Amino acid sequence: DAKTTQPTSMDCAEGRAANLPCNHSTISGNEYVYWYRQIHSQGPQYIIHGLKNNETNEMASLIITEDRKSSTLILPHATLRDTAVYYCIVGSGNTGKLIFGQGTTLQVKP
Amino acid sequence: DAGVTQSPTHLIKTRGQQVTLRCSPKSGHDTVSWYQQALGQGPQFIFQYYEEEERQRGNFPDRFSGHQFPNYSSELNVNALLLGDSALYLCASRTFLLGRDTEAFFGQGTRLTVV
Repeated sequence: DAKTTQPTSMDCAEGRAANLPCNHSTISGNEYVYWYRQIHSQGPQYIIHGLKNNETNEMASLIITEDRKSSTLILPHATLRDTAVYYCIVGSGNTGKLIFGQGTTLQVKP
Repeated sequence: DAGVTQSPTHLIKTRGQQVTLRCSPKSGHDTVSWYQQALGQGPQFIFQYYEEEERQRGNFPDRFSGHQFPNYSSELNVNALLLGDSALYLCASRTFLLGRDTEAFFGQGTRLTVV
């Protein structure tokens, strides 16, 4: 079973920041938080991952709470092309297995 | 860098037949995993190959088998196809680095339809 809980769907206005929450209350000390997105039956696209510190790359920012029980993915300026299913995954890279939940369907609207 | 490539992109098979799907990992990656994604669901882990051996396996029957070659490419074989095997099959590659987790990269998938 997936170890994360995400809202089923969210809307965001184009040009605004999209903030996608994820709960992972049973995360272990050596487990990372990964975010992927999937656009209409294409392969999942890696976005970002982190252990306990906040992370930022050219696509997004990842904010992890101090107790590591939840996190937020931030797309700073959402565009229509960011409409996708976003998956939050908790796991250790050493196991290699990613357990996907149902994800959050983000709809970016003009 | 071509990324993860999968072939074929689409495939139609008849119940009871056998199918082989292929995956070439991203350059520099030595570990390949396979996932099955039914319509409307998240991907489900099938198994992982490293050093030409199956290292982990998800909750899939023995009809699902695989292979990894010395060049790290991989095949997924499914025997005695069922209608329920219709899905998008995804391949993901990565390499493991000591001391830090690395991301997996996915291919575009093979859409298998069993009729």
